[in-house]
Amino acid sequence: AQRVTQPEKLLSVFKGAPVELKCNYSYSGSPELFWYVQYSRQRLQLLLRHISRESIKGFTADLNKGETSFHLKKPFAQEEDSAMYYCALSWGAGGTSYGKLTFGQGTILTVHP
Amino acid sequence: EAGVAQSPRYKIIEKRQSVAFWCNPISGHATLYWYQQILGQGPKLLIQFQNNGVVDDSQLPKDRFSAERLKGVDSTLKIQPAKLEDSAVYLCASSSASVISYNEQFFGPGTRLTVL
Repeated sequence: AQRVTQPEKLLSVFKGAPVELKCNYSYSGSPELFWYVQYSRQRLQLLLRHISRESIKGFTADLNKGETSFHLKKPFAQEEDSAMYYCALSWGAGGTSYGKLTFGQGTILTVHP
Repeated sequence: EAGVAQSPRYKIIEKRQSVAFWCNPISGHATLYWYQQILGQGPKLLIQFQNNGVVDDSQLPKDRFSAERLKGVDSTLKIQPAKLEDSAVYLCASSSASVISYNEQFFGPGTRLTVL
C-alpha cells in the first residue's frame, strides 16, 4: 500500500530565510509525486509535480528514490508563502489508476515578517 | 474557465440524519473524485468516477455512504445515517486524467459537515 508522511505539522520561518518542507513516501512501484497548496480561504491547488522539474513561485522539489523523499524547498521564504502544504502521491500508470492521489497530513507553513 | 462547484458550503445535522452533497465538475472532465478531509488530516479519497462508472470505491463506507454520477457530469454524495465521526470537509475534484496518464486535479471549495 502507498503512504505519504509529512513529519512536521507546523513550520515557522522568518521572511528571507530558507524553508524546507519534508515529505517521505512508501510505494513499491514507480510513483508520481506532487505538492499541493491551500492558501487561506482558497481552494486546494497544485503547486508542482516532480515530473515537470519546474520551479513554481521559487519552490523546487527533487524526487529522491533512494531516500523515498520529495522535500519542498525555497531559498528565500516570503510572507505570501504562508499556507497549508500537502505532499501527494499518484501511482500506477496503466491499470485503473486514473490519477488517484494519496495525501500526507499536511504542513502549515508560517512566514513571519 | 469555471471551476469545480459544490453545494452546500456548510451543513449542520444531527446524528442519524441524512445529508447530500452536490458537485459540478469542470466541463469536459471525465474523472471525478470525492475526498473526505477530517480536521488535521490530509484529504482521503472516498470514490472515483470515470464518466458515469465507478473506478474505485474501496474506501467508501458503503453501509452509510453512497455516490452517483448518473449522466457522467454532476455527482452527488449521500450519507445515511450520519455519525459523529463523519464531521469533515467533503471535497470534490475533477480532472481529465485517463488510465495511462495523470492530469492535474482541480478542487472545489468543499462542503463542511458538522454532525451533532
